[in-house]
Amino acid sequence: AQTVTQSQPEMSVQEAETVTLSCTYDTSESDYYLFWYKQPPSRQMILVIRQEAYKQQNATENRFSVNFQKAAKSFSLKISDSQLGDAAMYFCALGGGADGLTFGKGTHLIIQP
Amino acid sequence: GAGVSQSPSNKVTEKGKDVELRCDPISGHTALYWYRQRLGQGLEFLIYFQGNSAPDKSGLPSDRFSAERTGESVSTLTIQRTQQEDSAVYLCASSLVGGVGGPYEQYFGPGTRLTVT
Repeated sequence: AQTVTQSQPEMSVQEAETVTLSCTYDTSESDYYLFWYKQPPSRQMILVIRQEAYKQQNATENRFSVNFQKAAKSFSLKISDSQLGDAAMYFCALGGGADGLTFGKGTHLIIQP
Repeated sequence: GAGVSQSPSNKVTEKGKDVELRCDPISGHTALYWYRQRLGQGLEFLIYFQGNSAPDKSGLPSDRFSAERTGESVSTLTIQRTQQEDSAVYLCASSLVGGVGGPYEQYFGPGTRLTVT
């Protein structure tokens, strides 16, 4: 069975600062993908960034980047220059089988103006 | 183009009643997923449809839950004899091709909030 663990229920950061959200996972698959999704109060799940496990290079999307440590099964999300619009629940997710995605319990990100 | 749509947005029902939740995927997406999100929790996979293949029902929590999909279009999730523990947001997602997690992005609908009283 696959598991995803997000150990930070809530994080707070000052606007324009940098914040890192943690995620660890476990899977027996050799080929898998990792995702970070953002869920604002509207409930709409929005894909933030995606990482293929076979790629060593960390994915980057504008202000969002990941630190993928395959041996440690760690997949953290770094948000640079935090903006008020970044406030949301952030979910780490793992896809490696045919059972949809496995999600963590989420981290509530608060942006302090 | 239109995204994934779900209806109703909110549903309140009495314990013991049956409910039907609807999902309209993005046109051309062959894969469709249903997830359940309990309050303060992450998403829990329920069922997956890929084209005309038999659905993967491995995530359905009980035999009170069932889902259908007509071809590669609309899907309905039915919960029979609802219980209070069924209260949750039910999210639907679609993607171009299904199976493993990627590289095809899953596009999510806004969800249906089900409250069982």
